[in-house]
Amino acid sequence: IAGITQAPTSQILAAGRRMTLRCTQDMRHNAMYWYRQDLGLGLRLIHYSNTAGTTGKGEVPDGYSVSRANTDDFPLTLASAVPSQTSVYFCASSEGEPGANVLTFGAGSRLTVL
Amino acid sequence: GQNIDQPTEMTATEGAIVQINCTYQTSGFNGLFWYQQHAGEAPTFLSYNVLDGLEEKGRFSSFLSRSKGYSYLLLKELQMKDSASYLCVPSDSNYQLIWGAGTKLIIKP
Repeated sequence: IAGITQAPTSQILAAGRRMTLRCTQDMRHNAMYWYRQDLGLGLRLIHYSNTAGTTGKGEVPDGYSVSRANTDDFPLTLASAVPSQTSVYFCASSEGEPGANVLTFGAGSRLTVL
Repeated sequence: GQNIDQPTEMTATEGAIVQINCTYQTSGFNGLFWYQQHAGEAPTFLSYNVLDGLEEKGRFSSFLSRSKGYSYLLLKELQMKDSASYLCVPSDSNYQLIWGAGTKLIIKP
């Protein structure tokens, strides 16, 4: 089934540890995104990539980094996790610009930083 | 600033019709999406409006008035599985999506 795979599904992490959330899509979409979702708030864009080899900062990029070595993979790294990064993280993709194309989301990664 | 105004929560009865209203203010406009999100799951696409008027897709319809900065999602013949959050997501002049917290819809038997 075509779509987006995220891993891990859930993780508890000690503050200060490094963590990489994995995201892989098999739809050959050009654009990929990382969002975080906190209770009572809308999705907030962390980083995005319009095409392989390029990345950009979203609304809340601090403390996170991404890479886009190929079309399919878009990992999100927390270099030194802090409790405020406790959240549900969604990876998404679209054929083109998000504002004119449907986003397809992964199932999410629930991260707890203690 | 850019903002979205939707009711936080609505309750409706199985088999009935419900209309979820959304008003928005954006810097420019390039269309409006509605997404559905069940608790603990990812958002899924419902509809997209870029021109004024009504778009119908099965039990769901979405309406847009660009001059009023207004949209609504109409759900007919409500089913228990329609219990979810509904996200009104406009796109601004830079094609950036503006996400709000959405409307939590509770369906009662």
